[in-house]
Amino acid sequence: DTEVTQTPKHLVMGMTNKKSLKCEQHMGHRAMYWYKQKAKKPPELMFVYSYEKLSINESVPSRFSPECPNSSLLNLHLHALQPEDSALYLCASSHLNRATEAFFGQGTRLTVV
Amino acid sequence: SQELEQSPQSLIVQEGKNLTINCTSSKTLYGLYWYKQKYGEGLIFLMMLQKGGEEKSHEKITAKLDEKKQQSSLHITASQPSHAGIYLCGADGNKLVFGAGTILRVKS
Repeated sequence: DTEVTQTPKHLVMGMTNKKSLKCEQHMGHRAMYWYKQKAKKPPELMFVYSYEKLSINESVPSRFSPECPNSSLLNLHLHALQPEDSALYLCASSHLNRATEAFFGQGTRLTVV
Repeated sequence: SQELEQSPQSLIVQEGKNLTINCTSSKTLYGLYWYKQKYGEGLIFLMMLQKGGEEKSHEKITAKLDEKKQQSSLHITASQPSHAGIYLCGADGNKLVFGAGTILRVKS
């Protein structure tokens, strides 16, 4: 299994809603990542987890809250988002220190209304 | 911080034609990575180049690394509709950074 599975594929949420994005991999990767990609822009790193611990937070607003409950799962909890947070959210996983060879999920297309 | 500039921004080619995409770094390249992304989907890792002068091929896609010029090129031979997508170069500084991407469209 060489897939990173993200759910849901699409999400529309209001600014007062709370929702979660989920990501799962079964490749034994101990590094997992969240990226945000705006239209016609490259992905931007948000968070990195190494051995289920948050190792990098790229100054992401607290309305985004990551969680890594175990080595296969990565969640991104969303609360009180703004319309400008609408984007494609990509999850990725890799062996440690191999971010450049990461496997990416298909992404969740998030629209905040 | 390291920045990657890709050119061209977009490209439309006739099926069967060859094309080249370039990626230039603002700093010394210690490794350069190429990815392909279908619109609205995740990235697919294509290949990694780590040594100056290194050249790698995957099917009809060839990438080269010119360390002195801090540049890499991606060349597609005899393009096909399946090659259409967004090609991104990436480099590993303190974190993985990407170029802005090159949108490739292949006309049948």
